[in-house]
Amino acid sequence: AQKITQTQPGMFVQEKEAVTLDCTYDTSDQSYGLFWYKQPSSGEMIFLIYQGSYDEQNATEGRYSLNFQKARKSANLVISASQLGDSAMYFCAMSSGYSTLTFGKGTMLLVSP
Amino acid sequence: DGGITQSPKYLFRKEGQNVTLSCEQNLNHDAMYWYRQDPGQGLRLIYYSQIVNDFQKGDIAEGYSVSREKKESFPLTVTSAQKNPTAFYLCASGRGTGRNYGYTFGSGTRLTVV
Repeated sequence: AQKITQTQPGMFVQEKEAVTLDCTYDTSDQSYGLFWYKQPSSGEMIFLIYQGSYDEQNATEGRYSLNFQKARKSANLVISASQLGDSAMYFCAMSSGYSTLTFGKGTMLLVSP
Repeated sequence: DGGITQSPKYLFRKEGQNVTLSCEQNLNHDAMYWYRQDPGQGLRLIYYSQIVNDFQKGDIAEGYSVSREKKESFPLTVTSAQKNPTAFYLCASGRGTGRNYGYTFGSGTRLTVV
């Protein structure tokens, strides 16, 4: 069984600062994928970034980067230069083998001016 | 533009009624999924389908039913057997099930029992 843990129910950050959202995972599979999604108040889920377990480099997508520490089983999302539009719920998710995506409970991020 | 369309956006149901939530995709994805979202619970998998005319139960399938007669469509029926159906329902599609495949999501249906 796979499990995702997000320990921060809520985070606050000032505009233009960087913020790290924590995610730890548990799986017995050696081959797996890690994903981050953003959910604004409108409800849709927006894909942000993906990291494969065999990828040697940390994934980056614009202002988003994934701090992948395999030995610690952590996949933290780093948002640089936060913007007001980054205020949303953020979900970490994992898929291993041929399984479906398993999601964490999410972290609510609020960006203040 | 390709995407996933869920309808309706808001749905009200009387106790004892069955209701069907629509999900249509034009991304040519083989796999489709239904998730339920409750406050503080994250997303939980209800049903998924990897191919037409085949589907599997997820973690919380009791009280729900699905069909997959066309590749583009994966409707979810919330039956009267579902004891607490008030929630936000998200439909998703993907190229496959496995570690390499992320999902594209619809905009959701908010179901309220009145």
